Amino acid sequence: GAGVSQSPRYKVAKRGQDVALRCDPISGHVSLFWYQQALGQGPEFLTYFQNEAQLDKSGLPSDRFFAERPEGSVSTLKIQRTQQEDSAVYLCASSLFATNEKLFFGSGTQLSVL
Amino acid sequence: GIQVEQSPPDLILQEGANSTLRCNFSDSVNNLQWFHQNPWGQLINLFYIPSGTKQNGRLSATTVATERYSLLYISSSQTTDSGVYFCAVENGANNLFFGTGTRLTVIP
Repeated sequence: GAGVSQSPRYKVAKRGQDVALRCDPISGHVSLFWYQQALGQGPEFLTYFQNEAQLDKSGLPSDRFFAERPEGSVSTLKIQRTQQEDSAVYLCASSLFATNEKLFFGSGTQLSVL
Repeated sequence: GIQVEQSPPDLILQEGANSTLRCNFSDSVNNLQWFHQNPWGQLINLFYIPSGTKQNGRLSATTVATERYSLLYISSSQTTDSGVYFCAVENGANNLFFGTGTRLTVIP
């Protein structure tokens, strides 16, 4: 596609529910990143994929967070047993190269946990 | 991780004015980037500038890596420049550390 696409744009979940957030990167992009942005803050790194390999997951805040990119294109970020502190905008970014230079960001998924 | 501080936190400008945004970082970096997040939340990469000076239209950026700071200059500001400007740095682990941003409002 023309850009990085994320869905859904908005997600409301009850505390304890599981959610799945989808990212469609730009076709052919090698690198894919997930970031979490709390209100009024800068984005914080969650995890990084190079093709289908998850090379860095040091930013995932707990074992309730899980990300995958099984075929090296679409990625899914899953949050199990959501908590109120998980409320944030989740941003996906992709890059043509195996670096974070020239990142293209999606519009994000705004998650609200009630 | 690296600490990234941006100043000022908020800035209001009259259309046509110039401004300078500053980013200080706490450690040596391999990579520094400036981003603009528009009022709809879209993050756009402005500059990849680990050192030196670059210009793109009304925007320019300078990074002095030895002194651990970078500056973003906006000249002849327009209302479409409104939004939040983020500085982000990386020290080799391929993950970017973002500052808390400068919120710019340009009024007509």
